[in-house]
Amino acid sequence: LAKTTQPISMDSYEGQEVNITCSHNNIATNDYITWYQQFPSQGPRFIIQGYKTKVTNEVASLFIPADRKSSTLSLPRVSLSDTAVYYCLVGPSNQAGTALIFGKGTTLSVSS
Amino acid sequence: ETGVTQSPTHLIKTRGQQVTLRCSSQSGHNTVSWYQQALGQGPQFIFQYYREEENGRGNFPPRFSGLQFPNYSSELNVNALELDDSALYLCASSGGGTAPYEQYFGPGTRLTVT
Repeated sequence: LAKTTQPISMDSYEGQEVNITCSHNNIATNDYITWYQQFPSQGPRFIIQGYKTKVTNEVASLFIPADRKSSTLSLPRVSLSDTAVYYCLVGPSNQAGTALIFGKGTTLSVSS
Repeated sequence: ETGVTQSPTHLIKTRGQQVTLRCSSQSGHNTVSWYQQALGQGPQFIFQYYREEENGRGNFPPRFSGLQFPNYSSELNVNALELDDSALYLCASSGGGTAPYEQYFGPGTRLTVT
């Protein structure tokens, strides 16, 4: 599985856009990029998944450049409730139920 | 649609004891995965069950064992508890059409070993 590197922590203010970048230099051809969000004392929650270019849903956008060696999770107009740990995962998409390999994630703190 | 539930919420055990944690998967999901999350760390994969069979295992000793039942609910058993087993234990369900790498997590069981 591809190793991922992301910042340990980030700070932001309410209403700002937050971009969290994840590096995955040895990503394989059949790997997808997936992001999870985890609030304190809760299980992680699936946010978004993508393979290339841009993916957008009601929560976030995921930008993936052509070489796929990095990806950026974009959270528009964050609020206090977006304070959480964000995990970037990279792995094969050939089957459902694949074991998830989490790193330490990025702790995002949003202030008013 | 009922989400993933886990019981108990919190548990305190003594070193050397045994513990059983329970998980009910989300309706329509046939795969259950268990994770251990120590304080300040990301979840670590313990093992996965698919249709009542173990379908993958992480780097955990044999004293961590599990079961999946015909209704796809699951148990995690830990024998001979050690102080380092203190953690949040998470259960996640998937399958039945979920996207790869998309798993639905329960709220976890906080285990404290003294």
